[in-house]
Amino acid sequence: DAKTTQPPSMDCAEGRAANLPCNHSTISGNEYVYWYRQIHSQGPQYIIHGLKNNETNEMASLIITEDRKSSTLILPHATLRDTAVYYCIVRAGSARQLTFGSGTQLTVLP
Amino acid sequence: GAGVSQSPSNKVTEKGKDVELRCDPISGHTALYWYRQSLGQGLEFLIYFQGNSAPDKSGLPSDRFSAERTGGSVSTLTIQRTQQEDSAVYLCASSPGLGTGNTEAFFGQGTRLTVV
Repeated sequence: DAKTTQPPSMDCAEGRAANLPCNHSTISGNEYVYWYRQIHSQGPQYIIHGLKNNETNEMASLIITEDRKSSTLILPHATLRDTAVYYCIVRAGSARQLTFGSGTQLTVLP
Repeated sequence: GAGVSQSPSNKVTEKGKDVELRCDPISGHTALYWYRQSLGQGLEFLIYFQGNSAPDKSGLPSDRFSAERTGGSVSTLTIQRTQQEDSAVYLCASSPGLGTGNTEAFFGQGTRLTVV
């Protein structure tokens, strides 16, 4: 699976949009982009995934660049409970596990 | 159940003892994964099951670690002769299975293992 690069940490003001970037310049055509988050002392939680089109669900939006070499997870109105480590993962259709990197520690400030 | 269930939630054991960790996946999920997370570290893949077979054992750190899955459902991760470096949170996840890449995995809350 392709490697991803994320900033180690970010801050965001409560109520503002949080935009978390991810670079995956070696992504292959059959690899999906997944986002998970891990709130302290809990198991990882699935957020969203996509292949090449932008995606939106009740939690977040995923914007994938046209060349698919990078993506951005958007939390439209961050709350204190969104403070967590956010992981960007690329995973091929035939791959069997999610390979987690170091992620981005997002801290939502009051 | 509604989600992935792991037991026990916490386990303290003496160095050299064997431990068994249990994972109940979401009903109907054929794929099951074990990870571990040491304090302040990222998630380390251990093993993957598709049904009862484990096609990928590449992440098991040593021969003291083994896992099995019966009936395509419950899985147990066994650590023999535990060492202090085995102390970590052991996480289990399940997903509907192979076929497509766009199936998300759902994680349990983990078992916190402390070897003293």
